[in-house]
Amino acid sequence: AQKVTQAQTEISVVEKEDVTLDCVYETRDTTYYLFWYKQPPSGELVFLIRRNSFDEQNEISGRYSWNFQKSTSSFNFTITASQVVDSAVYFCALSESFHNAGNMLTFGGGTRLMVKP
Amino acid sequence: DTEVTQTPKHLVMGMTNKKSLKCEQHMGHRAMYWYKQKAKKPPELMFVYSYEKLSINESVPSRFSPECPNSSLLNLHLHALQPEDSALYLCASSQGNSELETQYFGPGTRLLVL
Repeated sequence: AQKVTQAQTEISVVEKEDVTLDCVYETRDTTYYLFWYKQPPSGELVFLIRRNSFDEQNEISGRYSWNFQKSTSSFNFTITASQVVDSAVYFCALSESFHNAGNMLTFGGGTRLMVKP
Repeated sequence: DTEVTQTPKHLVMGMTNKKSLKCEQHMGHRAMYWYKQKAKKPPELMFVYSYEKLSINESVPSRFSPECPNSSLLNLHLHALQPEDSALYLCASSQGNSELETQYFGPGTRLLVL
């Protein structure tokens, strides 16, 4: 069975601080996708990034960066110079396919990030 | 365009009411999903439709009845709900033609059952 663990339930930082959200996963699949989604108070889950299990390159997008390490089954997310607008719940998720029947996402419990001015 | 729309945004209903939630996407996606999300919890999968056919039902009570009239629309019909069914209901879609895909979510419907 697949499992995603986000050990940090809540993180509070002051604006302009860097913050890292941890994600650890378990799967027996050799091919999988990992995702990060952002859920602001409005409720919509906003797709941030997808990472293929065969691609361990780190990725940077503006103030966001992701560190994927298969050896430790981790897919951590760092926000540099955090801003108040970054306040949200962030979910890490693992994708499992069902052969033309759609995909199933296994979500972590989420990390609530609060950025204070 | 990665937009999934959901209506209504908010819904209050009594336990004897019948209501429907609507989800629409125009990305040409062929897989659509319903999720239920309780406060401070991650989304839980309810149903998956693939090419307008129900492919996954995660043991959801029959008071929730999904319907996929065409490839762009997904409905969730609600009848005789319980107060514990109050939650955020999220719709998502994905391409539906490959093993692993990205799901794009709508803004959700906040449901309150009185």
